Amino acid sequence: AQSVSQHNHHVILSEAASLELGCNYSYGGTVNLFWYVQYPGQHLQLLLKYFSGDPLVKGIKGFEAEFIKSKFSFNLRKPSVQWSDTAEYFCAVESGNTGKLIFGQGTTLQVKP
Amino acid sequence: EAQVTQNPRYLITVTGKKLTVTCSQNMNHEYMSWYRQDPGLGLRQIYYSMNVEVTDKGDVPEGYKVSRKEKRNFPLILESPSPNQTSLYFCASSSPRARGGIDGYTFGSGTRLTVV
Repeated sequence: AQSVSQHNHHVILSEAASLELGCNYSYGGTVNLFWYVQYPGQHLQLLLKYFSGDPLVKGIKGFEAEFIKSKFSFNLRKPSVQWSDTAEYFCAVESGNTGKLIFGQGTTLQVKP
Repeated sequence: EAQVTQNPRYLITVTGKKLTVTCSQNMNHEYMSWYRQDPGLGLRQIYYSMNVEVTDKGDVPEGYKVSRKEKRNFPLILESPSPNQTSLYFCASSSPRARGGIDGYTFGSGTRLTVV
């Protein structure tokens, strides 16, 4: 079965530290990749997405992600986190062009001021 | 304002009492989907729809029904709710990409359902 794994369940960083959140998926065909953020008590918001082309994609709020096809990975990065980045982050994969979007378990990021 | 609207936001009900959670979007999106969010499990897709009268099962469809009679609405129906359906539910919609598939779901604010 297709699956999405986020290996870091809970990450604690100090402000200005660099961030990298891992995401791996198990689907072998064409995939479309997404990262979402959920601030406390709110709904999910799209951070960035990858469909094709340049494997390094930039999103909102200074986030970026790199698609490495050979590693089935789509890791999220940010050079310098802020306290306001405290949230839960979800990686999601659409297998083929189906509309069937599978989410990882999520990573809770806590940024200490 | 472009948005996905779910109602109600909070609902407490008893086992076996049929309920419907409504979802409406004003963006003329073809794709719509329902997810449930549970601690430690992330979001799991219940049902999704690629267009009017077209629905497909997601990963956890048991105990749920949906219908897509109009483009803007995608209600989630629990015919006989049970306590294991206590969860946070999200509706989402997306426009299609030229090659098919979603451009990225826009999510509603969520419905917190408690079944006692």
